[in-house]
Amino acid sequence: DAMVIQNPRYQVTQFGKPVTLSCSQTLNHNVMYWYQQKSSQAPKLLFHYYDKDFNNEADTPDNFQSRRPNTSFCFLDIRSPGLGDAAMYLCATSRDFDTQYFGPGTRLTVL
Amino acid sequence: AQSVTQPDIHITVSEGASLELRCNYSYGATPYLFWYVQSPGQGLQLLLKYFSGDTLVQGIKGFEAEFKRSQSSFNLRKPSVHWSDAAEYFCAVGGKEYGNKLVFGAGTILRVKS
Repeated sequence: DAMVIQNPRYQVTQFGKPVTLSCSQTLNHNVMYWYQQKSSQAPKLLFHYYDKDFNNEADTPDNFQSRRPNTSFCFLDIRSPGLGDAAMYLCATSRDFDTQYFGPGTRLTVL
Repeated sequence: AQSVTQPDIHITVSEGASLELRCNYSYGATPYLFWYVQSPGQGLQLLLKYFSGDTLVQGIKGFEAEFKRSQSSFNLRKPSVHWSDAAEYFCAVGGKEYGNKLVFGAGTILRVKS
């Protein structure tokens, strides 16, 4: 089945230690998104790639970066995680800006 | 500002009872409307969507939703709830009028009692 895959499902890092989260997709969608979701809240869009074009949300901290080396993969880099960055990180994909399909998420813990 | 309102933070229903989750959006003549479900520790699963056409849409797991333009609403319904339906439900609106981004409601947590 075509799907969105996120690795790892659970990530523990130390305060200030860089961490990278991975997303891959077999849907061949041209748009990939990263969301942050804190407990009991709706997902918050951090940024998205439309093909190779990177689009950052205005309120996304500089601490968050992203890379998309090819159509299938997208990475979320957190340069210096703080305690406030502990959250579920969701990757989603879509064809153009049609329906978004989400991965299972990565739960990030910052110690 | 564009917004989506889910007025019920928590809803508890008995297994086998009917369910209606409410959703209202603030803006747009031709919104794209979605319902997603999220089980604890999981990603969001698409239940159903409305872009145009028949205003009553059928989704997975026996869910349906009705778009009412006059009320700016897209309420989710299920005639008979199962214990496995316990989860958090998010209404979302997208399309060009929303900058081609999804605007989510705050979510409704559904509890099912046996």
